[in-house]
Amino acid sequence: GAVVSQHPSWVICKSGTSVKIECRSLDFQATTMFWYRQFPKQSLMLMATSNEGSKATYEQGVEKDKFLINHASLTLSTLTVTSAHPEDSSFYICSARAPSGGAYEQYFGPGTRLTVT
Amino acid sequence: GQNIDQPTEMTATEGAIVQINCTYQTSGFNGLFWYQQHAGEAPTFLSYNVLDGLEEKGRFSSFLSRSKGYSYLLLKELQMKDSASYLCAVMDSNYQLIWGAGTKLIIKP
Repeated sequence: GAVVSQHPSWVICKSGTSVKIECRSLDFQATTMFWYRQFPKQSLMLMATSNEGSKATYEQGVEKDKFLINHASLTLSTLTVTSAHPEDSSFYICSARAPSGGAYEQYFGPGTRLTVT
Repeated sequence: GQNIDQPTEMTATEGAIVQINCTYQTSGFNGLFWYQQHAGEAPTFLSYNVLDGLEEKGRFSSFLSRSKGYSYLLLKELQMKDSASYLCAVMDSNYQLIWGAGTKLIIKP
């Protein structure tokens, strides 16, 4: 099946710094990638939808200036958490949808656990 | 508004059968997904239903009734490794996934 990777798998950073998370589709081209955040014991929360070559569409309540998303190629999307604070500590997961997938399944990356101290 | 409901937690015994229900109200319907998520890991795809009926895949089966806005995931011959959260998600008319809060399944020996 399709494989999506994320890097790093975990990161610890100091409050006020920025962190970049990469999401790559390894064996397919993803025109659409999704970024989710998941707090402990809660379900996935969609943060934004990213289409290759265009600006990301952010969900209500998600600050686009704080969570910068770049989808520069068909295999790579990045999420940058700017000026991170402890409340940004969470599990960030990306997923990708292949063009031929139509309405079908999204392929998830393994997630990145961010801890802001 | 859009809403996905599933039980918060269920407990079952190793070797037994468990059914996890999901009801939904969404703007449009383009299929229902079940995902398994172990603690600290990303979700993995289990099943996809877009037509009414039962889809069987090994020990796992998924059922859909669109008229009732209802689905269930059936797990047979439970194993300890099946302890996980099971997420129900519906793809709406904009092809966006609407996620349930997940059902934590605890398997006891």
